[in-house]
Amino acid sequence: DAGVIQSPRHEVTEMGQEVTLRCKPISGHDYLFWYRQTMMRGLELLIYFNNNVPIDDSGMPEDRFSAKMPNASFSTLKIQPSEPRDSAVYFCASSHTVNTEAFFGQGTRLTVV
Amino acid sequence: TQLLEQSPQFLSIQEGENLTVYCNSSSVFSSLQWYRQEPGEGPVLLVTVVTGGEVKKLKRLTFQFGDARKDSSLHITAAQPGDTGLYLCAGDHNTDKLIFGTGTRLQVFP
Repeated sequence: DAGVIQSPRHEVTEMGQEVTLRCKPISGHDYLFWYRQTMMRGLELLIYFNNNVPIDDSGMPEDRFSAKMPNASFSTLKIQPSEPRDSAVYFCASSHTVNTEAFFGQGTRLTVV
Repeated sequence: TQLLEQSPQFLSIQEGENLTVYCNSSSVFSSLQWYRQEPGEGPVLLVTVVTGGEVKKLKRLTFQFGDARKDSSLHITAAQPGDTGLYLCAGDHNTDKLIFGTGTRLQVFP
């Protein structure tokens, strides 16, 4: 397996624009997680899915953020409209269970100007 | 909110030195994991500890889980430049989702 695949690796966008981040988890993993990492706040869990169903979205900052998992091999994190304070590295991770080894993608570095 | 505090936040040392980083919480963990993250990459699991007092070794790295399962330490012997990275601990309470610590950023100079 190629591991967790995220795209794009880098995204630069203007404030107010819609941003969509994509993730392909490892096949067979039942859990998918979206994290945001910044120097100030560290690695924050935004939302996670179990078998494509959102279980906990308490980490989603506000209504501008939304996540979907239409099938077991694909998930998106959307920010609309984007703001400069959304600039961060966004990671997707997958795992067999909610608390076992998390396999991370390489992340998407988002810059909102 | 369950917090995992790591210390020190930053550490810069010379090659060959020993170091210890800590992960502390006021809550009991079911298990605790240590990850290392290199620049431009996602975190990668180093070890999982599940039993209070457990010690695991991975080459020059020694991981210990506190007896009360509220804290953990990572000791590196004779650090090398390849050890440079962000070290993250992550714990779960009652088999719930993982909570990641604040991280220790290690720089080892040749």
